[in-house]
Amino acid sequence: KQEVTQIPAALSVPEGENLVLNCSFTDSAIYNLQWFRQDPGKGLTSLLLIQSSQREQTSGRLNASLDKSSGRSTLYIAASQPGDSATYLCATNDYKLSFGAGTTVTVRA
Amino acid sequence: GAGVSQSPSNKVTEKGKDVELRCDPISGHTALYWYRQSLGQGLEFLIYFQGNSAPDKSGLPSDRFSAERTGGSVSTLTIQRTQQEDSAVYLCASSQLAVPRDSTEAFFGQGTRLTVV
Repeated sequence: KQEVTQIPAALSVPEGENLVLNCSFTDSAIYNLQWFRQDPGKGLTSLLLIQSSQREQTSGRLNASLDKSSGRSTLYIAASQPGDSATYLCATNDYKLSFGAGTTVTVRA
Repeated sequence: GAGVSQSPSNKVTEKGKDVELRCDPISGHTALYWYRQSLGQGLEFLIYFQGNSAPDKSGLPSDRFSAERTGGSVSTLTIQRTQQEDSAVYLCASSQLAVPRDSTEAFFGQGTRLTVV
């Protein structure tokens, strides 16, 4: 059974600082890994998908890396803004998604 | 539709009543998933549909929970004789098997918040 862990559970930074969110997983037999954002009381918004054949993926200020052999992914958010405050979830996909518990980010203005 | 649609968005029910939650996936998506998110908890997998069949229902917590999907589209999650521990947000996701397979992306609805009183 896939186990996904996200560290840290919570993070508070001043505006402008770069964010580093970590995700680790136990089973490397995955198709891909997705990073999601969840705002309070809302559903999940897909941020980035990294295919198993890729090492990283970028979208705007977001960059995600994937190292399947070591079972790790990292989401980098550059120059954080208060609007980045949310919970970030990573999920491995081996036909169904297995989620970590998330990292709750607060960006202070 | 443009995205995954779930209804109702909120449901308050009395303990012991049955409830039905609906998911309308993105048009053409053959895979559909139900997840549950309890307060302060992570997302818990419930069931996976491919077309109208459910090859993985291993996450359904008890026989009070059932789900069906008709016409390869809309899915209904039914909870019978609801209990207070069933209170949670129920999320639905859909995806379409892509080529290559590792580019398959899942999209989520806004969820149904179920409160059992």
